[in-house]
Amino acid sequence: DAMVIQNPRYQVTQFGKPVTLSCSQTLNHNVMYWYQQKSSQAPKLLFHYYDKDFNNEADTPDNFQSRRPNTSFCFLDIRSPGLGDAAMYLCATSREVSKQPQHFGDGTRLSIL
Amino acid sequence: GQQLNQSPQSMFIQEGEDVSMNCTSSSIFNTWLWYKQEPGEGPVLLIALYKAGELTSNGRLTAQFGITRKDSFLNISASIPSDVGIYFCAGHTGANSKLTFGKGITLSVRP
Repeated sequence: DAMVIQNPRYQVTQFGKPVTLSCSQTLNHNVMYWYQQKSSQAPKLLFHYYDKDFNNEADTPDNFQSRRPNTSFCFLDIRSPGLGDAAMYLCATSREVSKQPQHFGDGTRLSIL
Repeated sequence: GQQLNQSPQSMFIQEGEDVSMNCTSSSIFNTWLWYKQEPGEGPVLLIALYKAGELTSNGRLTAQFGITRKDSFLNISASIPSDVGIYFCAGHTGANSKLTFGKGITLSVRP
């Protein structure tokens, strides 16, 4: 059974129209991550939550926000998507930040019209 | 910052062959992780390594944590068509450090 679940698998939005991607986990892990992955590249970390503490990467655009209302759920909000934001968005979880493997969901493929 | 080097970018092998992939860095890592990603899917954890010199197997896959802590390899034995995918190495360098990824190696298996 899937332990990190991302919905939807495919999302199409219009240029500039806000979009929210969701992630849920059944692992009860402390940490939830959001990554952006473009074609033929490694995943790029956007931010992570350790419990309720939000940790933003220095180069993550302000256009990207996140919410974690409880242990199980985490959301990625893109306030005004641009064409360059078309990518696969991956959610991952781990028990701790360091020395623990991260478990990924199957991703949401975001397209911008 | 820390970088993980994986090369070549692509590998082409015949079904039944063994293949070895390396991951190297100029920095010391305290964990090494190997992931496989298939098209349209998220990365799937194959093997996790936590100690220098550790050798771990998962079916036809074997991975080792290099004794210098600056490298790791993944071996796949008797390859089959479903081994096709992108293989990423990843690792942590210290306490509270984010996961660093290599650029991945795309493996193709000819039947």
